[in-house]
Amino acid sequence: AQRVTQPEKLLSVFKGAPVELKCNYSYSGSPELFWYVQYSRQRLQLLLRHISRESIKGFTADLNKGETSFHLKKPFAQEEDSAMYYCALGVLSGGYQKVTFGIGTKLQVIP
Amino acid sequence: DGGITQSPKYLFRKEGQNVTLSCEQNLNHDAMYWYRQDPGQGLRLIYYSQIVNDFQKGDIAEGYSVSREKKESFPLTVTSAQKNPTAFYLCASSITVGGSGTYEQYFGPGTRLTVT
Repeated sequence: AQRVTQPEKLLSVFKGAPVELKCNYSYSGSPELFWYVQYSRQRLQLLLRHISRESIKGFTADLNKGETSFHLKKPFAQEEDSAMYYCALGVLSGGYQKVTFGIGTKLQVIP
Repeated sequence: DGGITQSPKYLFRKEGQNVTLSCEQNLNHDAMYWYRQDPGQGLRLIYYSQIVNDFQKGDIAEGYSVSREKKESFPLTVTSAQKNPTAFYLCASSITVGGSGTYEQYFGPGTRLTVT
């Protein structure tokens, strides 16, 4: 069975400081990893996915299969980054797409 | 916001009553999902459906039931058998393209159910 671990429920950083939200996964096949974000009073939405290899709002995430990690990073935190961040693992099982989410990390950027 | 709608936003029920949460999407997505979101537990998958008239149990399906009679609709019924029904419920949908991978999920605004 697949599992996603986000070890920190809350991460507080000062504005301008680097951010790293940790995510580790367990899955024996080829994983597809995502980061979703939920800003206050907004819907949960996709931030980025590992296949795209893109930077969104200054955030990047690299899939490290050796360490089974997909940490989310940003060099300089902004106040508007304060939100709930969920790491997610997508698998194809019997032709069905199934996505498993971590418990989420609340990022608090202190002005 | 369009795409996926959930109604109502807040729902109150007495213990022992079944209640149905609505989820509709106009994105022409094949796959639809129901999650439960509890503080400190993230999102947990209740049921998911890849096509009309077919659905699969997720990780916490006990006490819930679904139907998928139309592509755009995936209602969730919280039955009286669900021991802790008070929660925030999220519906999502995604495309399926040839079964070659997993795709971005689009979420609804959620329904907060309170059972007393």
